[in-house]
Amino acid sequence: ETGVTQTPRHLVMGMTNKKSLKCEQHLGHNAMYWYKQSAKKPLELMFVYSLEERVENNSVPSRFSPECPNSSHLFLHLHTLQPEDSALYLCASSQDAGNDAYEQYFGPGTRLTVT
Amino acid sequence: GENVEQHPSTLSVQEGDSAVIKCTYSDSASNYFPWYKQELGKGPQLIIDIRSNVGEKKDQRIAVTLNKTAKHFSLHITETQPEDSAVYFCAASKTDSWGKLQFGAGTQVVVTP
Repeated sequence: ETGVTQTPRHLVMGMTNKKSLKCEQHLGHNAMYWYKQSAKKPLELMFVYSLEERVENNSVPSRFSPECPNSSHLFLHLHTLQPEDSALYLCASSQDAGNDAYEQYFGPGTRLTVT
Repeated sequence: GENVEQHPSTLSVQEGDSAVIKCTYSDSASNYFPWYKQELGKGPQLIIDIRSNVGEKKDQRIAVTLNKTAKHFSLHITETQPEDSAVYFCAASKTDSWGKLQFGAGTQVVVTP
Protein backbone atom coordinates (compact mmCIF):
# COMPACT_ATOMS: atom_id res chain seq x y z
CA GLU A 1 0.00 0.00 0.00
CA THR A 2 1.25 3.47 -0.88
CA GLY A 3 -0.75 5.45 1.68
CA VAL A 4 -3.06 6.86 -0.99
CA THR A 5 -6.59 5.47 -1.21
CA GLN A 6 -9.23 6.07 -3.86
CA THR A 7 -12.96 5.38 -3.93
CA PRO A 8 -14.82 4.02 -5.69
CA ARG A 9 -12.51 1.56 -7.46
CA HIS A 10 -14.98 1.13 -10.32
CA LEU A 11 -17.68 3.48 -11.58
CA VAL A 12 -20.14 3.23 -14.45
CA MET A 13 -22.09 6.36 -15.24
CA GLY A 14 -24.33 7.69 -17.96
CA MET A 15 -23.53 10.89 -19.81
CA THR A 16 -26.14 12.86 -17.87
CA ASN A 17 -25.09 11.66 -14.42
CA LYS A 18 -23.14 13.54 -11.77
CA LYS A 19 -20.66 11.60 -9.70
CA SER A 20 -17.56 12.27 -7.61
CA LEU A 21 -14.25 10.49 -7.18
CA LYS A 22 -12.54 10.64 -3.81
CA CYS A 23 -8.88 10.45 -2.88
CA GLU A 24 -7.31 10.43 0.56
CA GLN A 25 -3.63 10.42 1.46
CA HIS A 26 -2.26 9.33 4.82
CA LEU A 27 1.32 10.48 4.23
CA GLY A 28 1.21 14.01 5.59
CA HIS A 29 1.90 15.42 2.12
CA ASN A 30 1.10 18.94 0.99
CA ALA A 31 0.49 18.34 -2.72
CA MET A 32 -2.06 16.21 -4.52
CA TYR A 33 -2.63 15.42 -8.18
CA TRP A 34 -5.22 13.99 -10.56
CA TYR A 35 -4.05 12.01 -13.58
CA LYS A 36 -5.94 10.35 -16.42
CA GLN A 37 -4.67 7.06 -17.81
CA SER A 38 -6.15 5.96 -21.13
CA ALA A 39 -5.24 2.84 -23.05
CA LYS A 40 -2.19 3.19 -25.30
CA LYS A 41 -1.47 6.73 -24.04
CA PRO A 42 0.93 8.16 -21.46
CA LEU A 43 -0.46 9.29 -18.13
CA GLU A 44 -1.87 12.79 -18.46
CA LEU A 45 -1.68 15.28 -15.61
CA MET A 46 -5.05 16.98 -15.03
CA PHE A 47 -4.75 19.07 -11.87
CA VAL A 48 -2.23 19.91 -9.17
CA TYR A 49 -3.07 21.18 -5.70
CA SER A 50 -0.47 22.57 -3.33
CA LEU A 51 -1.61 23.37 0.22
CA GLU A 52 -5.23 23.15 -0.93
CA GLU A 53 -4.70 25.69 -3.69
CA ARG A 54 -5.00 24.69 -7.33
CA VAL A 55 -1.73 25.55 -9.01
CA GLU A 56 -2.06 23.70 -12.30
CA ASN A 57 -4.99 23.05 -14.60
CA ASN A 58 -3.72 21.20 -17.60
CA SER A 59 -6.35 22.36 -20.12
CA VAL A 60 -8.96 20.03 -18.70
CA PRO A 61 -12.61 20.43 -19.84
CA SER A 62 -14.94 22.05 -17.35
CA ARG A 63 -16.99 18.86 -17.02
CA PHE A 64 -14.20 17.81 -14.64
CA SER A 65 -14.22 19.89 -11.47
CA PRO A 66 -11.63 19.28 -8.74
CA GLU A 67 -11.99 20.14 -5.07
CA CYS A 68 -9.38 20.04 -2.31
CA PRO A 69 -10.99 20.80 1.07
CA ASN A 70 -7.77 20.03 2.99
CA SER A 71 -4.32 18.66 2.29
CA SER A 72 -5.42 15.05 2.90
CA HIS A 73 -8.46 14.91 0.63
CA LEU A 74 -9.00 15.48 -3.06
CA PHE A 75 -12.18 15.10 -5.07
CA LEU A 76 -12.95 15.05 -8.76
CA HIS A 77 -16.55 16.00 -9.55
CA LEU A 78 -17.85 14.68 -12.84
CA HIS A 79 -20.84 15.85 -14.85
CA THR A 80 -22.09 15.41 -18.42
CA LEU A 81 -19.13 13.27 -19.36
CA GLN A 82 -18.49 11.80 -22.81
CA PRO A 83 -17.68 8.16 -23.66
CA GLU A 84 -14.09 9.20 -24.48
CA ASP A 85 -13.70 10.19 -20.82
CA SER A 86 -13.71 6.49 -19.92
CA ALA A 87 -10.31 5.80 -18.37
CA LEU A 88 -8.45 5.03 -15.18
CA TYR A 89 -8.30 8.13 -12.97
CA LEU A 90 -5.32 8.17 -10.68
CA CYS A 91 -4.68 10.31 -7.64
CA ALA A 92 -1.17 10.97 -6.37
CA SER A 93 0.45 12.93 -3.58
CA SER A 94 3.89 14.31 -2.86
CA GLN A 95 5.60 16.07 0.01
CA ASP A 96 5.35 19.39 -1.78
CA ALA A 97 5.07 20.80 -5.28
CA GLY A 98 6.68 23.81 -6.82
CA ASN A 99 10.30 24.71 -6.31
CA ASP A 100 11.62 21.16 -6.48
CA ALA A 101 10.59 17.81 -7.91
CA TYR A 102 9.35 15.40 -5.27
CA GLU A 103 8.49 11.72 -5.35
CA GLN A 104 4.85 11.15 -6.19
CA TYR A 105 2.90 8.27 -4.70
CA PHE A 106 -0.13 6.96 -6.54
CA GLY A 107 -3.39 5.45 -5.41
CA PRO A 108 -4.91 2.38 -7.09
CA GLY A 109 -7.16 4.44 -9.34
CA THR A 110 -10.84 4.56 -10.21
CA ARG A 111 -11.83 2.73 -13.39
CA LEU A 112 -14.49 4.97 -14.97
CA THR A 113 -16.79 3.84 -17.74
CA VAL A 114 -19.11 6.38 -19.36
CA THR A 115 -22.05 4.85 -21.21
CA GLY B 1 7.02 21.48 -23.47
CA GLU B 2 8.73 18.29 -22.39
CA ASN B 3 8.38 15.17 -24.53
CA VAL B 4 9.44 11.75 -23.26
CA GLU B 5 9.83 8.79 -25.58
CA GLN B 6 10.14 5.25 -24.25
CA HIS B 7 11.35 2.08 -25.95
CA PRO B 8 10.59 -0.71 -26.41
CA SER B 9 6.82 -0.85 -25.99
CA THR B 10 6.97 -4.55 -25.16
CA LEU B 11 9.83 -6.64 -23.84
CA SER B 12 9.88 -10.39 -23.32
CA VAL B 13 12.75 -11.89 -21.33
CA GLN B 14 13.63 -15.27 -19.91
CA GLU B 15 13.74 -15.53 -16.15
CA GLY B 16 17.22 -14.74 -14.94
CA ASP B 17 18.10 -12.56 -17.92
CA SER B 18 18.46 -8.77 -17.83
CA ALA B 19 15.94 -6.23 -19.10
CA VAL B 20 16.75 -2.72 -20.29
CA ILE B 21 14.24 0.05 -21.01
CA LYS B 22 15.34 3.34 -22.54
CA CYS B 23 13.83 6.80 -22.46
CA THR B 24 14.76 10.06 -24.12
CA TYR B 25 13.62 13.53 -23.12
CA SER B 26 13.57 16.83 -24.93
CA ASP B 27 13.77 19.54 -22.25
CA SER B 28 17.36 20.07 -21.12
CA ALA B 29 16.02 21.73 -17.94
CA SER B 30 14.53 18.43 -16.73
CA ASN B 31 16.37 17.30 -13.62
CA TYR B 32 14.30 14.56 -12.00
CA PHE B 33 13.66 11.16 -13.59
CA PRO B 34 11.52 8.59 -11.76
CA TRP B 35 10.59 5.09 -12.89
CA TYR B 36 7.26 3.51 -12.03
CA LYS B 37 6.04 -0.07 -12.13
CA GLN B 38 2.34 -0.73 -12.68
CA GLU B 39 0.84 -4.14 -12.08
CA LEU B 40 -2.59 -5.13 -13.33
CA GLY B 41 -5.35 -3.43 -11.36
CA LYS B 42 -2.97 -1.23 -9.39
CA GLY B 43 -1.66 2.29 -9.57
CA PRO B 44 1.93 3.08 -10.61
CA GLN B 45 4.50 2.36 -7.91
CA LEU B 46 7.72 4.34 -7.70
CA ILE B 47 10.62 1.89 -7.91
CA ILE B 48 13.65 4.12 -8.39
CA ASP B 49 14.47 7.69 -9.33
CA ILE B 50 17.51 9.72 -10.26
CA ARG B 51 18.35 13.41 -10.24
CA SER B 52 20.53 15.21 -12.73
CA ASN B 53 23.48 15.58 -10.38
CA VAL B 54 23.96 11.80 -10.41
CA GLY B 55 24.88 9.55 -13.34
CA GLU B 56 23.83 6.21 -11.94
CA LYS B 57 21.80 4.83 -9.05
CA LYS B 58 21.32 1.25 -7.97
CA ASP B 59 18.89 -0.52 -5.65
CA GLN B 60 19.39 -4.28 -5.45
CA ARG B 61 18.46 -5.70 -8.89
CA ILE B 62 17.36 -2.34 -10.30
CA ALA B 63 19.60 0.41 -11.63
CA VAL B 64 19.04 3.62 -13.52
CA THR B 65 21.59 5.49 -15.63
CA LEU B 66 21.37 9.06 -16.87
CA ASN B 67 23.20 10.69 -19.75
CA LYS B 68 22.44 14.42 -19.58
CA THR B 69 24.40 15.25 -22.69
CA ALA B 70 22.44 12.82 -24.82
CA LYS B 71 19.24 13.44 -22.84
CA HIS B 72 18.46 9.83 -22.23
CA PHE B 73 18.07 7.59 -19.21
CA SER B 74 17.64 3.85 -18.84
CA LEU B 75 16.26 1.29 -16.41
CA HIS B 76 18.18 -1.94 -15.93
CA ILE B 77 16.69 -4.96 -14.22
CA THR B 78 19.07 -7.85 -13.57
CA GLU B 79 18.24 -11.46 -12.73
CA THR B 80 14.62 -10.97 -13.76
CA GLN B 81 11.90 -12.88 -11.95
CA PRO B 82 8.27 -13.58 -12.92
CA GLU B 83 7.12 -10.96 -10.40
CA ASP B 84 8.97 -8.33 -12.44
CA SER B 85 6.28 -8.74 -15.13
CA ALA B 86 4.42 -5.42 -15.29
CA VAL B 87 4.22 -2.17 -17.23
CA TYR B 88 7.10 0.19 -16.54
CA PHE B 89 6.89 3.95 -17.06
CA CYS B 90 9.65 6.52 -17.17
CA ALA B 91 8.97 10.16 -16.45
CA ALA B 92 10.75 13.51 -16.38
CA SER B 93 10.21 16.65 -14.37
CA LYS B 94 12.01 19.86 -13.52
CA THR B 95 12.29 22.44 -10.79
CA ASP B 96 9.54 25.07 -10.57
CA SER B 97 7.05 23.04 -12.59
CA TRP B 98 4.56 22.30 -9.81
CA GLY B 99 5.57 18.67 -9.82
CA LYS B 100 4.45 18.12 -13.39
CA LEU B 101 5.67 14.71 -14.53
CA GLN B 102 5.81 14.00 -18.25
CA PHE B 103 5.43 10.25 -18.70
CA GLY B 104 6.62 7.90 -21.39
CA ALA B 105 4.09 5.59 -23.04
CA GLY B 106 5.15 2.56 -21.02
CA THR B 107 6.89 -0.79 -21.60
CA GLN B 108 5.07 -4.07 -21.04
CA VAL B 109 7.65 -6.46 -19.58
CA VAL B 110 6.90 -10.17 -19.60
CA VAL B 111 9.26 -12.51 -17.76
CA THR B 112 8.81 -16.10 -18.79
CA PRO B 113 9.92 -18.93 -16.45
